[in-house]
Formats: sequence, C-alpha cells, structure tokens
Amino acid sequence: DVVMTQSPLSLPVTLGQPASISCRSSQSLVYSDGNTYLNWFQQRPGQSPRRLIYKISNRDSGVPDRFSGSGSGTDFTLKISRVEAEDVGVYYCMQGTHWPGTFGQGTKVEIK
Amino acid sequence: ELQLVESGGGVVRPGGSLRLSCEASGFTFDDYGMSWVRQAPGKGLEWVSGINWNGDSTGYADSVKGRFTISRDNAKNSLYLQMNSLRAEDTALYHCARGGDCTNNICFSGVGFDPWGQGTLVTVSS
Repeated sequence: DVVMTQSPLSLPVTLGQPASISCRSSQSLVYSDGNTYLNWFQQRPGQSPRRLIYKISNRDSGVPDRFSGSGSGTDFTLKISRVEAEDVGVYYCMQGTHWPGTFGQGTKVEIK
Repeated sequence: ELQLVESGGGVVRPGGSLRLSCEASGFTFDDYGMSWVRQAPGKGLEWVSGINWNGDSTGYADSVKGRFTISRDNAKNSLYLQMNSLRAEDTALYHCARGGDCTNNICFSGVGFDPWGQGTLVTVSS
C-alpha cells in the first residue's frame, strides 16, 4: 500500500497567522489519466471528516479561500493563510490514485 | 441536503457478527459508488470496503477480506456492511461515505469521499 506521511503531527498556531501541513507519498500519485488524486480532509472535534480539497488544489463548495493546496508527484502541502478558531481539528491527506486509497496519520491543528 | 445515516453498531464478543446499515438521502443514490471507512479510537482513517453503483463489483482492505461483505439496495437508498468473525482490532467508528468506484473487485478512490455519515461505533470485546 502507498504510505502517506504527514508533518508535523501537531501544529499549534496563533489566530490570524498562517499554517502549513506537508504530506508525502511513498509513490508518485500521478494516475494514468494524467490527474493526481491527492485529497485533503478536515475533521473538527466531534464531527465526521469533511473533504476540503481534491486533486491537489480544487476546493470543495463552501470551503473558505484561506485554504489552498499545492504540490506534485509525491510532495504536497495544505496551507491556511490566516487561521481562524473554526479551523481547529485534525487534517488528513489521502491518496486515491493507487488501490487501496490510503490516508496520512493526521495533523492536529490547535490554537496557541 | 446530502445526508448519510449509519446504524447497527454495538458491543460484540470476539468471533461475533454485526450488520451495519447506512441510509442515504439528498442525492441519486444509484449514481454513485459507496464506501465504508473506519476510525479506531484516537486513531486515523482506514478505508475498509467499497462497492460500485449497482453492487456487482466490490473491494476490501486486506485486514477485512474474507470476513466482511459490503452490499447495497438501491431501491431503499441503503448501503450495508456484514461483519463476521470480528476481532478486537475491528473496534472503531464506522463511517459510510459517498465515493469510490470498483471494477473487477478493485476500488479506485479517486477524489475520495464526500459526504460522510456521522458513524456507528463497533466495539469488539469479551
């Protein structure tokens, strides 16, 4: 299985400051159709996961534009331009290119 | 409103069985592949099983292959997971999620899963 490695695993941030989460895959995530199926999910405390971004950088409907995704191949990043209180939670990257789909360990974002 | 509501979780002894259900609303159920994803207490996310739109192709994680069976009833907008020979390591919150597609018993997760249900808790303990 493809191993997804996130860093850091814990990210204390100050409100209004930027935050960045790295995700690396053990194999290239470029699929035969040319797309790269790297997705990001947010899980707020006590809630189910919610998809934020799909195919590296496409935000889901309703996701604030302070969230952005970037990267290519095996190296990807989720950035929050200015952290707000509602962004507290655990963020997971997930690859959907290779079977089975696999998730990173999660990065816990908390307010300092 | 898109909604997935799971049920059927509970406490079961090792070796026992449970059947999870997931009722979908707010979208055309038989337009989509569906999946089960689990989350052990305090742990991360693990894809468990997937099924294509009409149920004729399914896939399983190695950890559950041969013990779990996924199925769906499009007339009832419902997804199921029959769980047999349960082990302590199957203890988790089981989420039903829209997404993924299976062909020839291999499931492509692609853009992942959206939305997710709130989950139903399965506890395997003696």
